[in-house]
Amino acid sequence: GNSVTQMEGPVTLSEEAFLTINCTYTATGYPSLFWYVQYPGEGLQLLLKATKADDKGSNKGFEATYRKETTSFHLEKGSVQVSDSAVYFCALSLKNTGNQFYFGTGTSLTVIP
Amino acid sequence: EAQVTQNPRYLITVTGKKLTVTCSQNMNHEYMSWYRQDPGLGLRQIYYSMNVEVTDKGDVPEGYKVSRKEKRNFPLILESPSPNQTSLYFCASHELGRGTVYGYTFGSGTRLTVV
Repeated sequence: GNSVTQMEGPVTLSEEAFLTINCTYTATGYPSLFWYVQYPGEGLQLLLKATKADDKGSNKGFEATYRKETTSFHLEKGSVQVSDSAVYFCALSLKNTGNQFYFGTGTSLTVIP
Repeated sequence: EAQVTQNPRYLITVTGKKLTVTCSQNMNHEYMSWYRQDPGLGLRQIYYSMNVEVTDKGDVPEGYKVSRKEKRNFPLILESPSPNQTSLYFCASHELGRGTVYGYTFGSGTRLTVV
């Protein structure tokens, strides 16, 4: 089947630390991959995406590379800020499933000054 | 501004009292969906719709109903709410066939408490 597994949280980092949130997937086809961010009290916002192997999505200093050989899409940021505190969701979508989306369980990040 | 609008943002109700959460999008998207978010379980799809008058069950449809009479609106109906439906609900939409390219647009969420 289709599924997304992301690292358990919560994650707590000091400001300016390096961030990695792991995400791996299984898919019956050729998926597009997404990272969504949910700030406290808000809905999910698209953070970045990649639609084919070796593509790198980037936004707001965050990056993730679509690795087909390891079925992974790890989220990274070189220097986190307090304002990055949020819940991060990895997701995949497949055209052959009618554009269904499959979400990971979310990883909560807290950045302390 | 392109957006998905949900109402209400917060709702406290009693067991068995029918309620409706509204969802409206202004992007002419064909595909609309409802999710619930619970701690440790992430997002689970309740129902989705690929177009007007076309709806289908997601992973956790029990206790919910939806309708899609107009393209822009996709209300979620709880005929007889129970405490296990206390959750954070999100409506989302995307252009059919382009979801894999552009992703979902989400509403701001509805926090429902059933006592």
